[in-house]
Amino acid sequence: SSEVTQDPAVSVALGQTVRITCQGDSLRTYYASWYQQKPGQAPFLVIYGNNNRPSGIPDRFSGSTSGNTASLTITGAQAEDEADYYCTSWDSRGTRLVFGGGTKLTVL
Amino acid sequence: QVQLQQWGAGLLKPSETLSLTCAVYGGSFSGYYWSWIRQPPGKGLEWIGEINHSGSTNYNSSLKSRVTMSIETSKNHFSLKLSSVTAADTAVYYCAGRYYASRVDYWGQGTLVAVSS
Repeated sequence: SSEVTQDPAVSVALGQTVRITCQGDSLRTYYASWYQQKPGQAPFLVIYGNNNRPSGIPDRFSGSTSGNTASLTITGAQAEDEADYYCTSWDSRGTRLVFGGGTKLTVL
Repeated sequence: QVQLQQWGAGLLKPSETLSLTCAVYGGSFSGYYWSWIRQPPGKGLEWIGEINHSGSTNYNSSLKSRVTMSIETSKNHFSLKLSSVTAADTAVYYCAGRYYASRVDYWGQGTLVAVSS
C-alpha cells in the first residue's frame, strides 16, 4: 500500500481552477514532487520541492503543502492539462520513494 | 539536455530474469541517482530502486530479494535485473534520473515487459 494517497479522479471546467491533493504523514518531513502523465507517455515533472516549477512548466501550475497534505493547483486549466497526476515523496523512514496512486484529471 | 534510452527483452516466461539497460546521453552522469520505476498496465507507478555513480544502491524492500542494479560509468549505462519474474511483474519499466529528494528530472521512453507462459 502507498504511504501517500490521492483521490482517484477530479474534473474541472475549462479555464477554472482545480486542486489535486496528496496526503501522507511523510509529507510533514519530506518534499513532494508532482508528475504529469498522458496516455502512452512517460511521466513528466511539473513541481518539485513542494512548490518549485522546472523551467518550461507554465505558471498556471503551482504547488503547496500544509501539514500532511501536498497540493497541486492548476489555475485556469487548459484542455492539454487533461492527464494523470502523481505525487511522490519518501516513505516515513526516508528509505523508499513512494508514489501516490494517481489522480485522473478531466477537463470539461 | 539529458536523454535516456533504454532497451531489453519485452517478453519473458515465469521464473526467468528480466534484464534492462539504460544509456544516459548528455548532462552529468555523476550528479544523479539512476532509478528504475515500473507501471503495471492501467495502474500507478512503483519505485524499484536506484544506483549512484559510485555503485551504491537503494532498493524497494518489497523487491529487494530479486533486484540487482549495476552501473558502467565508462559507458554512462546502468542496468536492472529482476529475477524469478511472475505475471505480477508485467509492467512498463522506466529508467529515470533522480536529482535529489523526490525530484526525478529525466525519464526513459519506457519498455513494456510482459511475463507469460
